[in-house]
Amino acid sequence: AQSVTQLGSHVSVSEGALVLLRCNYSSSVPPYLFWYVQYPNQGLQLLLKYTSAATLVKGINGFEAEFKKSETSFHLTKPSAHMSDAAEYFCAVSQAAGNKLTFGGGTRVLVKP
Amino acid sequence: AAGVIQSPRHLIKEKRETATLKCYPIPRHDTVYWYQQGPGQDPQFLISFYEKMQSDKGSIPDRFSAQQFSDYHSELNMSSLELGDSALYFCASSTGLAGVEEETQYFGPGTRLLVL
Repeated sequence: AQSVTQLGSHVSVSEGALVLLRCNYSSSVPPYLFWYVQYPNQGLQLLLKYTSAATLVKGINGFEAEFKKSETSFHLTKPSAHMSDAAEYFCAVSQAAGNKLTFGGGTRVLVKP
Repeated sequence: AAGVIQSPRHLIKEKRETATLKCYPIPRHDTVYWYQQGPGQDPQFLISFYEKMQSDKGSIPDRFSAQQFSDYHSELNMSSLELGDSALYFCASSTGLAGVEEETQYFGPGTRLLVL
């Protein structure tokens, strides 16, 4: 079985500040890990993914995430928040090719001017 | 680039009615997934198809059925609708080709279903 835990359902950051969204997973096999972003009333857009290549993964919009096996974590960061980063972010895991995604509970990011 | 297409985008139904949601995957993608996202919740996996065969099944009610057709599009059929079925229904697609893209699911914009 696999599961994903996102610490913090809401995060508030100031524009220009660091964004850090935490994701921890449990999986019986080496996982595939993903971060998706969902803007209000829109679908899920892939930010980045980890598929056992480099542990530091760079995605779109300046986001990156680091896979740490010892900590079973895949935290998402962005050095400088922009107003357009206000959205809900989902961490997700799958265990094998073609398998379903299991999502975390999501973290809603608010960016303050 | 072409994306996943879902129709309709919005749907309003009465209790006990039926609904059909359609999903058109990205060209050359052979795997389709359906997810349900209730208000304020994370997406929950319903069912998936690979090469027109059901590949996995999640928490899909018996009132729901789905299939993938020869052109790889998929339809989710929902009968005896209940108020609790009101949600955003996402379709995602992926390719079974070997390579780094194999595990990436690309999501459509979703169909928002409201059951009154």
